[in-house]
Amino acid sequence: DAGITQSPRHKVTETGTPVTLRCHQTENHRYMYWYRQDPGHGLRLIHYSYGVKDTDKGEVSDGYSVSRSKTEDFLLTLESATSSQTSVYFCAISAGLADQETQYFGPGTRLLVL
Amino acid sequence: AQTVTQSQPEMSVQEAETVTLSCTYDTSESDYYLFWYKQPPSRQMILVIRQEAYKQQNATENRFSVNFQKAAKSFSLKISDSQLGDAAMYFCAYRSAFSGAGSYQLTFGKGTKLSVIP
Repeated sequence: DAGITQSPRHKVTETGTPVTLRCHQTENHRYMYWYRQDPGHGLRLIHYSYGVKDTDKGEVSDGYSVSRSKTEDFLLTLESATSSQTSVYFCAISAGLADQETQYFGPGTRLLVL
Repeated sequence: AQTVTQSQPEMSVQEAETVTLSCTYDTSESDYYLFWYKQPPSRQMILVIRQEAYKQQNATENRFSVNFQKAAKSFSLKISDSQLGDAAMYFCAYRSAFSGAGSYQLTFGKGTKLSVIP
């Protein structure tokens, strides 16, 4: 357990509404990530952060934005949710020094966009 | 860009038997890391084992071991003495060793669903 929580754990929303998912960590890790998991695709990186206010895009960033104003919180926002964003979203942190770095994942958020 | 391929969407094993899950990857890099993650029905992603590409010795963690063939770009997971609790999705993942910003991101395969038969 790397001290990662995600909220909410489940959410149902309607197309066109904004949605914000929160990832919270308690161990002061520098790197944080957002992935989405879809059947037949494994996990794909949406955005990541390498420090407060330092973020960059991943493989599937279209339609998503992120913010990190505090070390412990990494927010993922869907500005206008679409049905294609129905997915399970995982937050992760990197722990360990460079050669021993390993990612640990939060419990996931299941999002359904109707 | 790196790609990770898991060619077995589903596999099954008898309890107490041994099973091997396959993973191949494509990269032009010489230094990298490989991982196996387990995802049980709870959906939690759990690290099973990791391998550094510069190490020739295969990693082991209790009943889990890997067969890392760098030249063949192959990274298979062997589960010995399979238990009912091993039933899960298993994901192979790749990480570059390059130390630039963002280089810690993982590239995942699509997963193998393992069933354990009592």
